[in-house]
Parts: sequence; structure tokens; C-alpha cells
Amino acid sequence: KNQVEQSPQSLIILEGKNCTLQCNYTVSPFSNLRWYKQDTGRGPVSLTIMTFSENTKSNGRYTATLDADTKQSSLHITASQLSDSASYICVVFSGGSYIPTFGRGTSLIVHP
Amino acid sequence: DVKVTQSSRYLVKRTGEKVFLECVQDMDHENMFWYRQDPGLGLRLIYFSYDVKMKEKGDIPEGYSVSREKKERFSLILESASTNQTSMYLCASSLFPSLSSGRAPSYYEQYFGPGTRLTVT
Repeated sequence: KNQVEQSPQSLIILEGKNCTLQCNYTVSPFSNLRWYKQDTGRGPVSLTIMTFSENTKSNGRYTATLDADTKQSSLHITASQLSDSASYICVVFSGGSYIPTFGRGTSLIVHP
Repeated sequence: DVKVTQSSRYLVKRTGEKVFLECVQDMDHENMFWYRQDPGLGLRLIYFSYDVKMKEKGDIPEGYSVSREKKERFSLILESASTNQTSMYLCASSLFPSLSSGRAPSYYEQYFGPGTRLTVT
């Protein structure tokens, strides 16, 4: 069964600090992995997409990494801002399918 | 700019009522999806549609039905609402890639609506 596990479940950091969120998956065959950001009361918005051949991808202060061998991904947030407070969801697609497997998300709170 | 809209942001219904949740996208996307999101459980797929009048069951279709009469509109129907259907409902849409694009279907991003928070009392 395809599964996506995220850690930690929740995280509290001070504004300006860095943090890293983890995603482990057992989706096969692997096609691509996305990180979504979901603000409270809103729908998720895609931050990055990574395919099998990509190791790192950045989107502003967000940097995603992918290790396809160990089936792990991370999302690193640099110099956090209050607006980074949100849930971050790891989503993995298997090959040939447009139905993804969702992680349960990491809730990030950035305090001033 | 990509846009997926949902008919209501908040909805309160009574047990046994028939409930309609509507979703409209303006991106000419072939695929449309309905999810529910509950604390600690993440997003779970209820139904999806890859074309007009086509529908497929997701992981948790029980108690729900859907309708897609037009490409841009995908409706979720709760035939007889129950308290365990209290949840956040999210609609999403995505492209179905043409054969010439060379991209796998899953490459194409799912665009989400703002969600409808449904409370059944």
C-alpha cells in the first residue's frame, strides 16, 4: 500500500530561524513528489515539484530535496517569517496515475 | 490566473438533509477531484472525474455521489447528511496531458479551491 509519512507532526520556531520538514514515502513506482503549503482555512498551494532525476529544487526561501534511493524528501525553510505559519503537505504521485498519496502534513507555527 | 472556486466557504446543515457542494474551475482542466480533510487524517479522495459525465470512486465514496454535466463544474452531493460528514471539503482540478506533451499524467499540478467547511448538526 502506498504511504507517505511526515515528521514532525507539528513544529514551533522563532521568526528568522531555519527549519526542516521530513517526508518518507513508500509509493511505487515513483513519478514525482510535491510539497504543498496550506494556510489556515484555505486550499493547498504547490511550492515545488521534484521528479526522479532531481535532487534539489528551490522556490525562494523554500528548498526541497529528494533522495529517491532512500525514498526521502525534505523541505527546508530559510529565515522563517510569520507568514510561513501553515501546514506543509508532502504529496507523492505514482507513475501513470493522477491520483496522489498525501501525507498528513506538518503544522508549522512561527512566533515573533 | 488559475482559479478554482467553491460555492460556499461555510455551511451548516441538519442531519438527513440533502447537501450540494459545487466546484467551478476556469482553466479548462479535464480532471476534477473532491477531497475531505480531517484533523490528523490528511486529505482523502472521495471521487474524481476525468471527463464530462465520467466519474470514479476514490478511497471514501460511501455516503457521497457526484455529478459532472459540464467540463468546468463538479458537484459533490450528500444524499442524507450525517454528523460524521462534518469536515472540510476541498475541490481540485488538473490537466490531463496530451500524448504529444511527453509528460506523465501525474506531473500536472492539482489546483485547489478554498474549501467548504461543512458542519452537520
